[in-house]
Amino acid sequence: GDSVTQMEGPVTLSEEAFLTINCTYTATGYPSLFWYVQYPGEGLQLLLKATKADDKGSNKGFEATYRKETTSFHLEKGSVQVSDSAVYFCVQGGSEKLVFGKGTKLTVNP
Amino acid sequence: KAGVTQTPRYLIKTRGQQVTLSCSPISGHRSVSWYQQTPGQGLQFLFEYFSETQRNKGNFPGRFSGRQFSNSRSEMNVSTLELGDSALYLCASSLQGIRTDTQYFGPGTRLTVL
Repeated sequence: GDSVTQMEGPVTLSEEAFLTINCTYTATGYPSLFWYVQYPGEGLQLLLKATKADDKGSNKGFEATYRKETTSFHLEKGSVQVSDSAVYFCVQGGSEKLVFGKGTKLTVNP
Repeated sequence: KAGVTQTPRYLIKTRGQQVTLSCSPISGHRSVSWYQQTPGQGLQFLFEYFSETQRNKGNFPGRFSGRQFSNSRSEMNVSTLELGDSALYLCASSLQGIRTDTQYFGPGTRLTVL
């Protein structure tokens, strides 16, 4: 069945470090792909999305490119800040259900 | 615009009881979907309702059911509660559905089954 595999962490970085969180998916067809973020004490919210192959989603300095050939949607940010500390979920949208990765907890230290 | 609201925020029940959770979507959103979040299984899709019809269902037993009203508000019911049903239950709303739309999540209902 459809599944999403993401780096589980936890990940701890220093401020201004480079971030990559890997995400790969298995699906029939061409799903939409999302990154959602859960900041401490807050609800899940969309960070970025891509709805077709080669699309790049970007927001708040984060980027992810929909790679059909490698079935991947890796999240990257060039310089993380303390305020980026949160749990990040890679999500696959399909015609029948949303499929979530396990989540990656990121802590950024000053 | 008001966000997605869920009531109650916290619930404590005992095994064998049933529970009803409520979700009010963002105004104008016709799709409401429900999720179970546990430390062991993570976030799992329960079902989606669109214009009062269940459009999709995840791999949960029939004890989990839901419905949607004409104003798009949705309820989820769990009958014959088990200890393993303890979880955070999230609902989300969107304009057209789960395939491509951004989902707007509520704060969740924390259910504890004793």
